[in-house]
Amino acid sequence: AQSVTQLGSHVSVSEGALVLLRCNYSSSVPPYLFWYVQYPNQGLQLLLKYTSAATLVKGINGFEAEFKKSETSFHLTKPSAHMSDAAEYFCAVSGTTSGTYKYIFGTGTRLKVLA
Amino acid sequence: DTGVSQNPRHKITKRGQNVTFRCDPISEHNRLYWYRQTLGQGPEFLTYFQNEAQLEKSRLLSDRFSAERPKGSFSTLEIQRTEQGDSAMYLCASSAGWNRGEQYFGPGTRLTVT
Repeated sequence: AQSVTQLGSHVSVSEGALVLLRCNYSSSVPPYLFWYVQYPNQGLQLLLKYTSAATLVKGINGFEAEFKKSETSFHLTKPSAHMSDAAEYFCAVSGTTSGTYKYIFGTGTRLKVLA
Repeated sequence: DTGVSQNPRHKITKRGQNVTFRCDPISEHNRLYWYRQTLGQGPEFLTYFQNEAQLEKSRLLSDRFSAERPKGSFSTLEIQRTEQGDSAMYLCASSAGWNRGEQYFGPGTRLTVT
């Protein structure tokens, strides 16, 4: 069985400060991991993905994430927060023995950026 | 490539009515997924199509729900005898290929059952 845990349903940072959003996963098969961002009343936009190549993954809008197998983590970071980063962020794991490659999502972290 | 589209974007219906949503995936994508997202939660998997074949259904998909993907192109999700608990955002996603490629999501259909 697979699962994703996102610690912190709400995170607030000041504009220009480091953004750190936490994601821990559980998977019985080598995982593919994803971070998505969702703006109000919109669908999900892919930020970045880990697919068993480089453990440090760079994505769009200055975000990056590091896959740490020993910690079963895939935390999302951005060195300097911008007001436009305020949104909800979801971590997801894919990769099942059934072959559907459906996503299992975490419950999300709402990021607030303070001026 | 116009991305994944969903219609309608919003639907308000009375309890007991039937509703149908449509998803048009990216044209070359053979995999199509439906998810449901309730307020404050992450999306939950409902069902999966590979081409026209529905290969997996979640236990969340009660017998009031049915999904189709005729000819492996667009897909429809129908909810019969809607209940207030069906109020949610219904998201469609598509992906290409035979590996664990990323899924591209549509804007969703927000259903409100009164």
